[in-house]
Amino acid sequence: QQQVKQSPQSLIVQKGGISIINCAYENTAFDYFPWYQQFPGKGPALLIAIRPDVSEKKEGRFTISFNKSAKQFSLHIMDSQPGDSATYFCAASMVETSGSRLTFGEGTQLTVNP
Amino acid sequence: NAGVTQTPKFRVLKTGQSMTLLCAQDMNHEYMYWYRQDPGMGLRLIHYSVGEGTTAKGEVPDGYNVSRLKKQNFLLGLESAAPSQTSVYFCASSPYHEQYFGPGTRLTVT
Repeated sequence: QQQVKQSPQSLIVQKGGISIINCAYENTAFDYFPWYQQFPGKGPALLIAIRPDVSEKKEGRFTISFNKSAKQFSLHIMDSQPGDSATYFCAASMVETSGSRLTFGEGTQLTVNP
Repeated sequence: NAGVTQTPKFRVLKTGQSMTLLCAQDMNHEYMYWYRQDPGMGLRLIHYSVGEGTTAKGEVPDGYNVSRLKKQNFLLGLESAAPSQTSVYFCASSPYHEQYFGPGTRLTVT
């Protein structure tokens, strides 16, 4: 049962363009929505995260947009660079009695062409 | 700080063999997690721990066991490896929501 759906599966953009990756979730109890970046042969690393009480969070070229009513959130990468080429995962988390768990989307492989 | 380390980095097993993957963290985090990553399926939670001496099942626990005897270590065991367990395994630790991942272990079961 996939509770977080991510699209597209792969994305190719030109250097300087905007990369947009979308995620949708089902469980309204989720209260933390991070994005992870993973380079080949490495573990995922936290990129940016948002809580449902705000609609947008920006850190440098990376922005999360959050739509609570639609149960959707997205990652925007402005002025995309070849060094941004990686796999991106959205995730959602909630605190349970047995701790905090992340549910990940399927991942998006981003390629930024020079 | 080394962060999260995993041992070994690569391993090849024959069907039916057993092995243990070791995860260590030096950040004094309470929570630790084991995931497997397969193409097109993201990261799926196998087992996790909310503190020393505690463990809980995740999304795909069958065929795996775990132990957290010390706060800094989280062990993942495969008692009888199967080809379906061929995957990349990641360990993570967390103080609460934010998770820090290790470099991964690539396991092949033939």
